[in-house]
Amino acid sequence: AQSVTQLDSHVSVSEGTPVLLRCNYSSSYSPSLFWYVQHPNKGLQLLLKYTSAATLVKGINGFEAEFKKSETSFHLTKPSAHMSDAAEYFCVVSETGGFKTIFGAGTRLFVKA
Amino acid sequence: GAVVSQHPSRVICKSGTSVKIECRSLDFQATTMFWYRQFPKQSLMLMATSNEGSKATYEQGVEKDKFLINHASLTLSTLTVTSAHPEDSSFYICSANPRGVVMSTDTQYFGPGTRLTVL
Repeated sequence: AQSVTQLDSHVSVSEGTPVLLRCNYSSSYSPSLFWYVQHPNKGLQLLLKYTSAATLVKGINGFEAEFKKSETSFHLTKPSAHMSDAAEYFCVVSETGGFKTIFGAGTRLFVKA
Repeated sequence: GAVVSQHPSRVICKSGTSVKIECRSLDFQATTMFWYRQFPKQSLMLMATSNEGSKATYEQGVEKDKFLINHASLTLSTLTVTSAHPEDSSFYICSANPRGVVMSTDTQYFGPGTRLTVL
């Protein structure tokens, strides 16, 4: 069975400060892990993905995430937040090569000026 | 990039009526489309997988007679919520997998969602 837990329902940061969105997962299989972003009235956009290659994954818009098997974590980070980063972020797990997706509950990121 | 649209973006209906939601892939053909449901402050839950020209596959606990899915063409899938009740109020999101692309999570393209409110 697979599951994913996003540890914070919302995170608030000031513009220019680092962002950390936390995600833990469990999987019976070799997992693929993803982060998606959802802006209001927009479709979900893939930020980055981990599929058993490099454990540090770089994505779009300056985001990156590190896969830590020992901690079953896949936290999303960004060195410096921008106002345009304010959105809902979803951590997703699926079986590698599979398409059935398990979404986390989401983390709402607020960015203060 | 690949674009998926949904129509309507927002709908309000009376209890007992049926509502149809359309999901279109605008610049690619999609052999497979997925329908998700998202409750407030909760994650997306997969409802069903829709394959062009065949019956949809529903996830456990999803009433197939309640949520009718039709995937009549390679660019269109519809979700009809029949005899809607207030508990069906939710955010419905579709995604599409391009034809000819190995189906995996990262090759799904998501629509913007449809907010359904049943009074």
